[in-house]
Amino acid sequence: QSALTQPPSASGSPGQSVTISCTGTSSDLGAYNYVSWYQQHPGKAPKLMIYEVTKRPSGVSNRFSGSKSGNTASLTVSGLQAEDEGDYYCSSYAGSNFWVFGGGTKLTVL
Amino acid sequence: EVQLVESGGGLIQPGGSLRLSCATSGFTVSSNYMSWVRQAPGKGLEWVSSIYSGGRTFYADSVKGRFTISRDNSKNTVYLQMDSLRAEDTAMYYCAGSYSSGTIGAYWGQGTLVTVSS
Repeated sequence: QSALTQPPSASGSPGQSVTISCTGTSSDLGAYNYVSWYQQHPGKAPKLMIYEVTKRPSGVSNRFSGSKSGNTASLTVSGLQAEDEGDYYCSSYAGSNFWVFGGGTKLTVL
Repeated sequence: EVQLVESGGGLIQPGGSLRLSCATSGFTVSSNYMSWVRQAPGKGLEWVSSIYSGGRTFYADSVKGRFTISRDNSKNTVYLQMDSLRAEDTAMYYCAGSYSSGTIGAYWGQGTLVTVSS
């Protein structure tokens, strides 16, 4: 069960949009529409931002959106705000009742 | 309001055992999906184990045979029994719950820290 691949860092200025990628394989991310994205602030628990590739839980800003193409999923944060700064993790169902996470991306709002 | 509260973490010697608990409110563990996810200091998230509504259990290869997930429906609580602990098991352990099998955690606890060291 190899981890999904995320860029270690991403950044953008307030008001801009930023996209974070998450790459897996045809056996995990590419095979299932069970990709989730989590936001984590320092010292806090993760928070679900996107599930099943594109769905947003109640209460999550519509500035967050998800997509997938082939073996790569993406999280786009539009209209960047200071509070969006933090670590973002993708996860995917990997078959055979296993789950895998990405290594995380540190988002900095400049 | 859904709340998940973990407990049971602490300092334990290599080879020792520890049982983590995750007490829930506003969320029925018997009819939903519960998981444990850990995060080593300064590292990323790692899925550890899940128990589905029907009672089936699943484990990451790194803990299979050493960890056991279970639940007490009457107490609405999920447990993680950790045996033969190793230094590399040192991490913050989070309990997560979901209504759907399509995601690990719609709801998360605050975590409980496990430190394996002599």
